[in-house]
Amino acid sequence: AQSVTQLDSHVSVSEGTPVLLRCNYSSSYSPSLFWYVQHPNKGLQLLLKYTSAATLVKGINGFEAEFKKSETSFHLTKPSAHMSDAAEYFCVVINTGGFKTIFGAGTRLFVKA
Amino acid sequence: DTAVSQTPKYLVTQMGNDKSIKCEQNLGHDTMYWYKQDSKKFLKIMFSYNNKELIINETVPNRFSPKSPDKAHLNLHINSLELGDSAVYFCASSQVPQEVSSYNSPLHFGNGTRLTVT
Repeated sequence: AQSVTQLDSHVSVSEGTPVLLRCNYSSSYSPSLFWYVQHPNKGLQLLLKYTSAATLVKGINGFEAEFKKSETSFHLTKPSAHMSDAAEYFCVVINTGGFKTIFGAGTRLFVKA
Repeated sequence: DTAVSQTPKYLVTQMGNDKSIKCEQNLGHDTMYWYKQDSKKFLKIMFSYNNKELIINETVPNRFSPKSPDKAHLNLHINSLELGDSAVYFCASSQVPQEVSSYNSPLHFGNGTRLTVT
């Protein structure tokens, strides 16, 4: 079975401080993992993806995520938050071989001035 | 150029009506999807088409009927609308089915259709 858990429904940071959005997954196979961002009234946009190459993945807008198999985690980080980062973030797991794409419940990021 | 476009953006209708949402992608992708996002932002796949063929049909009431006239279009028709159908519906596409090869197949989403059933 596969699942994905985003550990925080809401995260609030001040502009210029680091961002950490946590994601844990459960998978019987080697998964592919993604982070997507959804701004208000918009569709989801791919931030980054892990597909069994380098465990530290760099994405757009300064975001990066590290795949840790021992911890079954794929946390999203950014060194310095910007106001424009305020959005909903989704962690997604896919097992190739006919299994479904599973979305996490989302983490809402608030950025304070 | 908009990669995945869906219309209308907003749809307000009464219970019992029939409505359609249209989706088009100009990315040359083979696979298209419909997702439903509820009020808590939870995303669930409804349907997936690959080269006009249905490949995923989740447990969705048969009041929902997707139609893919060609691989660039995937429309969603909903009969006898119910209050519980109120949600945001997203169309998406990928180069190939994600479950076949996720490496080159991130999802590209439209901006959503907010359906409100009164």
